Amino acid sequence: DSGVTQTPKHLITATGQRVTLRCSPRSGDLSVYWYQQSLDQGLQFLIQYYNGEERAKGNILERFSAQQFPDLHSELNLSSLELGDSALYFCASSVGREIYEQYFGPGTRLTVT
Amino acid sequence: ILNVEQSPQSLHVQEGDSTNFTCSFPSSNFYALHWYRWETAKSPEALFVMTLNGDEKKKGRISATLNTKEGYSYLYIKGSQPEDSATYLCALDNFGNEKLTFGTGTRLTIIP
Repeated sequence: DSGVTQTPKHLITATGQRVTLRCSPRSGDLSVYWYQQSLDQGLQFLIQYYNGEERAKGNILERFSAQQFPDLHSELNLSSLELGDSALYFCASSVGREIYEQYFGPGTRLTVT
Repeated sequence: ILNVEQSPQSLHVQEGDSTNFTCSFPSSNFYALHWYRWETAKSPEALFVMTLNGDEKKKGRISATLNTKEGYSYLYIKGSQPEDSATYLCALDNFGNEKLTFGTGTRLTIIP
């Protein structure tokens, strides 16, 4: 158990809908990262927040957005969902200074039908 | 677009044998290389973070080396055990912004 929690574990929704994925980092970690794992691709970095502010951005679609709250939990919002958004979404956290290991949560499996 | 390559893609090793596999990456703007172990139905687990050329890290039977000048890292597993079966991922941080680019992994299966 990495100490990172993600909810929900599974999510099934229809095209065009909007969903929110939630992540709570390990106690004391200030950085949160979001990754997408699709069937045909490796782990893709989406976005990073550090202590409430966006720090780095990857190949995140405009339909997707994220935020980190004062209590350091983070939410990833996915809107106007398409079939291709079906994937495993991981959240990871780290202390967030210099070079630290990232600890991954169990993931949320999103299925868009 | 960064190209982080891992080889081989998959590997079957007899229990008790030692093995190694490779992660290759662009050597420019290197900042750090991460290794992760990812078991089926679980989440990636951090093994090592390596930053210095010539660095060598060890955790039990698993060790890793780093050559930043030529752009590669090796992961070694000594005396493979069935519980070592997993996908091993490397990931490059090339600007120090913790934005990791992952390789596609080496899927290791240990044959009892």
